[in-house]
Amino acid sequence: DIQMTQSPPSLSASIGDRVTITCRARQDISSSLAWYQQKPGEAPKLLVYATSMLESGVPSRFSGRGSGTDYTLTISSLQPEDFATYFCQQYHSTPYTFGRGTKLEIK
Amino acid sequence: EVQLVQSGTEVKKPGESLKISCQGSGYSLTSDWITWVRQMPGRGLEWMGRIDPRSSYINYGPSFQGHVTFSADKSISTAYLLLSSLRASDTAIYYCTAGGSQSRVWGPGTLVTVSS
Repeated sequence: DIQMTQSPPSLSASIGDRVTITCRARQDISSSLAWYQQKPGEAPKLLVYATSMLESGVPSRFSGRGSGTDYTLTISSLQPEDFATYFCQQYHSTPYTFGRGTKLEIK
Repeated sequence: EVQLVQSGTEVKKPGESLKISCQGSGYSLTSDWITWVRQMPGRGLEWMGRIDPRSSYINYGPSFQGHVTFSADKSISTAYLLLSSLRASDTAIYYCTAGGSQSRVWGPGTLVTVSS
């Protein structure tokens, strides 16, 4: 299995802040990396796939980048609706493992 | 609108079995893999595995092999997750997803509680 190490586990930030979440794979996953947002009581929602491709309807303040083993999700200017938990997932090889999540909270 | 509709909340006793359904609405389950994801209370997401309804080819996650069974009925655009010999640690929300290796479409989840 490819272990995904996501950091930080939690993050406190203010409206308008720029925040970055990191995911590191145990081996090269060739940019096969997705990011999901999950709000309490809801199913996860795909934000970014193939490292940097925004899913349809996702605001442009979200961006992803990375290569090899290291990947990031950046939110350029936090909005109230962005406070949620974020998960990365590698889909380079099965089992398609997830990071443990980053809970983004309002400061 | 593309949706995945899942069966409702279940409360089961240890040792019982349970079959959860996932039906495509506005979406043909023969279009792509159906993936199952587990989320235990207050925890993260776990990839359980996937089934290709077109061929019935299946990948099980190693942690779930032998304890779960995936199936699909193309004629009614429905996928199933069978959980056998339930134990308390199976208490979780189970999601079906579709739309590629990166899960584009998610069902609302089925909450399963296993308690004596």
